[in-house]
Amino acid sequence: EAGVAQSPRYKIIEKRQSVAFWCNPISGHATLYWYQQILGQGPKLLIQFQNNGVVDDSQLPKDRFSAERLKGVDSTLKIQPAKLEDSAVYLCASSFNQVSNEQFFGPGTRLTVL
Amino acid sequence: GQQLNQSPQSMFIQEGEDVSMNCTSSSIFNTWLWYKQDPGEGPVLLIALYKAGELTSNGRLTAQFGITRKDSFLNISASIPSDVGIYFCAGPSPGTYKYIFGTGTRLKVLA
Repeated sequence: EAGVAQSPRYKIIEKRQSVAFWCNPISGHATLYWYQQILGQGPKLLIQFQNNGVVDDSQLPKDRFSAERLKGVDSTLKIQPAKLEDSAVYLCASSFNQVSNEQFFGPGTRLTVL
Repeated sequence: GQQLNQSPQSMFIQEGEDVSMNCTSSSIFNTWLWYKQDPGEGPVLLIALYKAGELTSNGRLTAQFGITRKDSFLNISASIPSDVGIYFCAGPSPGTYKYIFGTGTRLKVLA
C-alpha cells in the first residue's frame, strides 16, 4: 500500500514570495491533516479535512495560509506571502476517518524562508 | 492553549539500557498516542492507549495510560541504535478530533 506522498521535499524562497505544497493521502482515507513542525517542536495542526470539508482550521493563519481539498483526495496548502517565521517542515497526514486514531504521515516538505 | 509537556527533553543512553519518558497535560485526555519520528521523516504511530491504567506493549516498547488521565509513560527496554529519534506523545484535545502533539523527547543511543 502506498503511503502519504508530499511534494516538493524541500523549498527555499524569499520572504513575501508565495509557495504551495501538495499532498496525496492514502487511498480511501477520508480525513486529511496539515501540520506545521517548527525545528525542535512537535507538529502543530493547521487544518483538518473530512472528505472535502474543513473540520478544524482554528490554528491556520488565514491572512496568509490557505488550503483546499477540492475532490476529497489530494490537497494543497499555500502560503502567500511568506514570512521568515514560516520556516518549518509541513507535514501532511491522513487517516481512515476522524474517529481513527492512527494517522499516517508523509515525509514532509521542509520550507526555508530567507 | 492546550499543551503536552514531555520529559526529559533529550537523553543519551548506552545501548542495552532501558529508557523511560513521560508526558503530562493540564487537562484530562481520553486517548494517548505515542509516535516516533526519524530524521527527515514524518512521525510513525507506536502505541495507542484508550483507558486509564492501561498498559500496552509493542515489542520492546511499553506504554501506560496514567490513572489520573493527565499523563502517560513510555518505556523502551534494552535500547538499540535504531531507537534513536524523537518520541512524541499526542492525543485528541478532549471533546474534539483536534490532535495535539507533545514537545518531544529526543533519544540518542551510544553504541
